[in-house]
Amino acid sequence: GENVEQHPSTLSVQEGDSAVIKCTYSDSASNYFPWYKQELGKGPQLIIDIRSNVGEKKDQRIAVTLNKTAKHFSLHITETQPEDSAVYFCAASRSGGSNYKLTFGKGTLLTVNP
Amino acid sequence: GAVVSQHPSWVICKSGTSVKIECRSLDFQATTMFWYRQFPKQSLMLMATSNEGSKATYEQGVEKDKFLINHASLTLSTLTVTSAHPEDSSFYICSVRTSGGTAQYFGPGTRLLVL
Repeated sequence: GENVEQHPSTLSVQEGDSAVIKCTYSDSASNYFPWYKQELGKGPQLIIDIRSNVGEKKDQRIAVTLNKTAKHFSLHITETQPEDSAVYFCAASRSGGSNYKLTFGKGTLLTVNP
Repeated sequence: GAVVSQHPSWVICKSGTSVKIECRSLDFQATTMFWYRQFPKQSLMLMATSNEGSKATYEQGVEKDKFLINHASLTLSTLTVTSAHPEDSSFYICSVRTSGGTAQYFGPGTRLLVL
């Protein structure tokens, strides 16, 4: 089955700096890669996703890059703000069919210091 | 994204009782729903996948007789924790996906504490 490794487990940055979280996956058939933000006591929120037919996707201060050859993808947050502080999870899955499942990384606790 | 609600948001119960958690998809028809549990400072662990009108598919190690899932309609799924024990205390989160869709949206979670 799929295995997703996520690094770092914790990340502390100063407000305004950039933050980068990296994930690797093992199943070469995986073609969908979402990122979730989870604030304390809340459910995960989908913030951006990328499919394997593109190498980069950007949404305002958030971007995700995908390297299919190396089987890794990264989340980039620019101009970080204190409200970006949360746990971020990457995930990977195949798509198609009714029962494909997301495999999650172990999460990264991002702290943005004012 | 989709709007998913869960009820209750938190529940405290005595050991041996059963607890039902509801998950509703408020703005689209969720062909597939997922139930996860999450322990403190850990990742999400998939418990089961359910398709509307079909029996749920449980992950290895998850007792189907203890965690009863009903996906009776395209907007409602329920998880019943039967004969709850303190080790069942956890954060339970549902997730939904549309037919033919790829994106998966999560509910706000239900905190269960079994005394």
